Amino acid sequence: DTGVSQDPRHKITKRGQNVTFRCDPISEHNRLYWYRQTLGQGPEFLTYFQNEAQLEKSRLLSDRFSAERPKGSFSTLEIQRTEQGDSAMYLCASSLEVGSFGNTIYFGEGSWLTVV
Amino acid sequence: DAKTTQPNSMESNEEEPVHLPCNHSTISGTDYIHWYRQLPSQGPEYVIHGLTSNVNNRMASLAIAEDRKSSTLILHRATLRDAAVYYCILRDGAAYGNKLVFGAGTILRVKS
Repeated sequence: DTGVSQDPRHKITKRGQNVTFRCDPISEHNRLYWYRQTLGQGPEFLTYFQNEAQLEKSRLLSDRFSAERPKGSFSTLEIQRTEQGDSAMYLCASSLEVGSFGNTIYFGEGSWLTVV
Repeated sequence: DAKTTQPNSMESNEEEPVHLPCNHSTISGTDYIHWYRQLPSQGPEYVIHGLTSNVNNRMASLAIAEDRKSSTLILHRATLRDAAVYYCILRDGAAYGNKLVFGAGTILRVKS
């Protein structure tokens, strides 16, 4: 069990550029989540996938944000035309959901984005 | 999602027990009480969860009030490595897609 892996860990980009983050969940975990966290705040939910299906998107996920999980394994989060307000840590998490229960959700170490 | 209320911050001395309170007066019968913590510059980490009975694991204990309207996370001997933000979260065990909804949490400071 190698844990949830995120890449890159840090990204500095100029306003208006596109950025993409990758998340590799724990092997065989069928659910994958994306969160965003700014300084001093708790993580905010963005979206989640059950296998390859994107089942819920937060209103925080504007049209400039898109997430995919094409084969039900790794996922990407792309931000187009970045703005300074996009500067945050982007967290990926995964879990093995079997039925309805309080299953443990495991988080990666996050990808820090700074938009200058 | 049902809400939780936690103190903004708490302070503890190293090697002493720490009791982190959480109020959740609107908890429903299918809500599990989850605790996560987040160390500086890291992602959140699972600590413990429970439904009705008190729970113990290697990291902590969770004491749940009989009416389930409050709970307490207990760290038996705080160390400097326990300094983190602790989140108390209700998660509906009967709901599909039951994501974690984080509040502001409690900042725990541990003094040596």
